[in-house]
Amino acid sequence: DTGVSQDPRHKITKRGQNVTFRCDPISEHNRLYWYRQTLGQGPEFLTYFQNEAQLEKSRLLSDRFSAERPKGSFSTLEIQRTEQGDSAMYLCASSLGQTNEQFFGPGTRLTVL
Amino acid sequence: GNSVTQMEGPVTLSEEAFLTINCTYTATGYPSLFWYVQYPGEGLQLLLKATKADDKGSNKGFEATYRKETTSFHLEKGSVQVSDSAVYFCARYLNNAGNMLTFGGGTRLMVKP
Repeated sequence: DTGVSQDPRHKITKRGQNVTFRCDPISEHNRLYWYRQTLGQGPEFLTYFQNEAQLEKSRLLSDRFSAERPKGSFSTLEIQRTEQGDSAMYLCASSLGQTNEQFFGPGTRLTVL
Repeated sequence: GNSVTQMEGPVTLSEEAFLTINCTYTATGYPSLFWYVQYPGEGLQLLLKATKADDKGSNKGFEATYRKETTSFHLEKGSVQVSDSAVYFCARYLNNAGNMLTFGGGTRLMVKP
């Protein structure tokens, strides 16, 4: 399968714990995006990378959130000191160059107890 | 501001009925417009897109026309099937505005046999 993959698919954690999610984009896609989707809502933009550079960050991305894309391929999203309000589906998407068509992964569903 | 508004669901139809899901957008430029579909338990999939005014996107019997004068991108299908049951998201992409997709809240479609 050559689509966007995300790991894990589901994560249940206790409040205050740290979690890390991984996204593997479509090979050779230079842009990578993170979105968050809460129940019954549309996805909301969190951040995006062009190659290894993080070029945009939403105000939704508090200082407890950090994202990296060290080699311009896979990306990680870490949430420190999780809160119940962080419970959501975290979506990753990738695109190639200047095209505006983004391809989405299946998402990681986070539940904070 | 820049936003996307779509009709709230759920929309419940019988098989072979005509479907319209309304979507309007605000933007200070000339966005590209998209419809994404999310089937139960799956990730977002691009359904169709239009990149300039009067363009018509179409796929799998679905159509949407980019109407600049009414800032709308309504999704239509002449005859829905049970397999079309899903959540549909309208989205806008505006170059030089964060390079992210801005999504509407989603509309759940339920098609009954």
